[in-house]
Amino acid sequence: DQQVKQNSPSLSVQEGRISILNCDYTNSMFDYFLWYKKYPAEGPTFLISISSIKDKNEDGRFTVFLNKSAKHLSLHIVPSQPGDSAVYFCAASPKTSYDKVIFGPGTSLSVIP
Amino acid sequence: DTGVSQDPRHKITKRGQNVTFRCDPISEHNRLYWYRQTLGQGPEFLTYFQNEAQLEKSRLLSDRFSAERPKGSFSTLEIQRTEQGDSAMYLCASSLGQTDTQYFGPGTRLTVL
Repeated sequence: DQQVKQNSPSLSVQEGRISILNCDYTNSMFDYFLWYKKYPAEGPTFLISISSIKDKNEDGRFTVFLNKSAKHLSLHIVPSQPGDSAVYFCAASPKTSYDKVIFGPGTSLSVIP
Repeated sequence: DTGVSQDPRHKITKRGQNVTFRCDPISEHNRLYWYRQTLGQGPEFLTYFQNEAQLEKSRLLSDRFSAERPKGSFSTLEIQRTEQGDSAMYLCASSLGQTDTQYFGPGTRLTVL
């Protein structure tokens, strides 16, 4: 039973446009949400996070939005660049165990020059 | 390079053999995590350490799996009597503390023939 879902396995976007990656979760105990980016032959690298007390967090070109009532979060990348092409994992952890990060299956983003 | 390192990067073994992987975390990080990632899925939590103490193990970690962190520095993950279903990428991550970002190593890809 997947607690963190990313229903789009892949996404293609033109360079300069907005990329929107979506994530849904089922566990209402999740308190902290993260996005990781992964290039081939490398481990995941942390991108951005958001606490459940916020509904938006921004870091440069990356913004994460959290809708707790819908149990939904999204990552916006504006403008998209070819170097953003990677697999993006949505992840979450409960307040009872911040160490136990649960990852979604990932969305492969391709930014087309 | 002061990131998380893992050795070996690739391991091919025959069913029934034992294998051992090593992870060297970022030097000042107290927490060390092991994850497993299979094709098309995100990393799945296996276990984690606070210094040398193993604090939690996932139900994914069968009796054939054992992890150690003897001096609170590097860690090893051993799989005994490997099965084809053990074929996966084994990722290690480390963090300063419970609520700090987890930094991942490049992983060890295991193939069991």
